[in-house]
Amino acid sequence: RKEVEQDPGPFNVPEGATVAFNCTYSNSASQSFFWYRQDCRKEPKLLMSVYSSGNEDGRFTAQLNRASQYISLLIRDSKLSDSATYLCVVNKADSWGKLQFGAGTQVVVTP
Amino acid sequence: DGGITQSPKYLFRKEGQNVTLSCEQNLNHDAMYWYRQDPGQGLRLIYYSQIVNDFQKGDIAEGYSVSREKKESFPLTVTSAQKNPTAFYLCASTPTGGARNIQYFGAGTRLSVL
Repeated sequence: RKEVEQDPGPFNVPEGATVAFNCTYSNSASQSFFWYRQDCRKEPKLLMSVYSSGNEDGRFTAQLNRASQYISLLIRDSKLSDSATYLCVVNKADSWGKLQFGAGTQVVVTP
Repeated sequence: DGGITQSPKYLFRKEGQNVTLSCEQNLNHDAMYWYRQDPGQGLRLIYYSQIVNDFQKGDIAEGYSVSREKKESFPLTVTSAQKNPTAFYLCASTPTGGARNIQYFGAGTRLSVL
């Protein structure tokens, strides 16, 4: 089983709609969770950290469910510029500073 | 502007050749990392360094080597022993303190085999 699993998509979303997707992680001791965004042939960039109580950043909402070991990302009022691959990232609990990356969920926002 | 600079952007390797990918950061970050990304796969850790003159193997270190002689620099050498080097290589760094898990990436180097 992979340490971090994501639905690869693509999720095809009409502009203005809402899209949500999850990521599951296998290590129950993980403490830090992130969503990164990666545009085609570019480097990953931090979208947002995910906190235990859930957090929101503009149109983006992240949730953490420790009991079921998954995190989620919801994008409201999708924009064409939201088209990207979203990487779920979890720290390796037994090793400072080391992160485990999911393969990503592709989102395509259509006009 | 502060950031992480990787060079070259594109690199071609001939059979049996060693090539070196450059990574320089002016963020004053202590920790630096090298990842490899293949299509449809997550980033895989090659090597990392938490401090100058010290580095550790990641999950896929075979066929690669690194050095960390300066805080700002963490070059990666892809040796001839790496039989499948074609990939997107990403360098990252991490600040110390409370935000230490957040990694910031350079723009990457695409390596292909001739």
